[in-house]
Amino acid sequence: NAGVTQTPKFQVLKTGQSMTLQCAQDMNHNSMYWYRQDPGMGLRLIYYSASEGTTDKGEVPNGYNVSRLNKREFSLRLESAAPSQTSVYFCASSPTTNEKLFFGSGTQLSVL
Amino acid sequence: DQQVKQNSPSLSVQEGRISILNCDYTNSMFDYFLWYKKYPAEGPTFLISISSIKDKNEDGRFTVFLNKSAKHLSLHIVPSQPGDSAVYFCAASAGNNNDMRFGAGTRLTVKP
Repeated sequence: NAGVTQTPKFQVLKTGQSMTLQCAQDMNHNSMYWYRQDPGMGLRLIYYSASEGTTDKGEVPNGYNVSRLNKREFSLRLESAAPSQTSVYFCASSPTTNEKLFFGSGTQLSVL
Repeated sequence: DQQVKQNSPSLSVQEGRISILNCDYTNSMFDYFLWYKKYPAEGPTFLISISSIKDKNEDGRFTVFLNKSAKHLSLHIVPSQPGDSAVYFCAASAGNNNDMRFGAGTRLTVKP
């Protein structure tokens, strides 16, 4: 039972570098999300995709872009990484909107 | 602005006793509330939820109470077990809004 799979698990970037975080779910869910977790801040929504073909900004979208490649896959791109983007990133999915979320195991990203 | 607040960063209880985790929210539009549990190096997993039309929901050892007038919810774990040691996140959402807001989390330690 794979559920939500994120890659990579760890990444170190230099300021200004770019990278893409990959996420795939095998539960046939319509909605997918990207969150970041920072100490003392809980999880904050970066972007979400309510259904295939749509994406929308969440609470903290600046510095990020997303692509809903198909129903299974939702990627998060950092075009020019900054130290403020050092965080743990979680991908999640849900059957439809406003339902419980199923999370991946996270990507720990450090930007030096 | 942090619309969901967990004011206790940590809680320690003895095995067999009750654990009570608290959560406050500020947005009166929230109508769906959830608790997630997170172990180290894993993503959060759904634990229990409650909609605003109810004031209590029970699932085995876990009970969530909602006090809408006080904008407060709590999670009770009875009896607490060492395996319950984890970080617990409170979350809330409104209608079909995909922006599920999370608290900062409470680290529960259950001592044998």
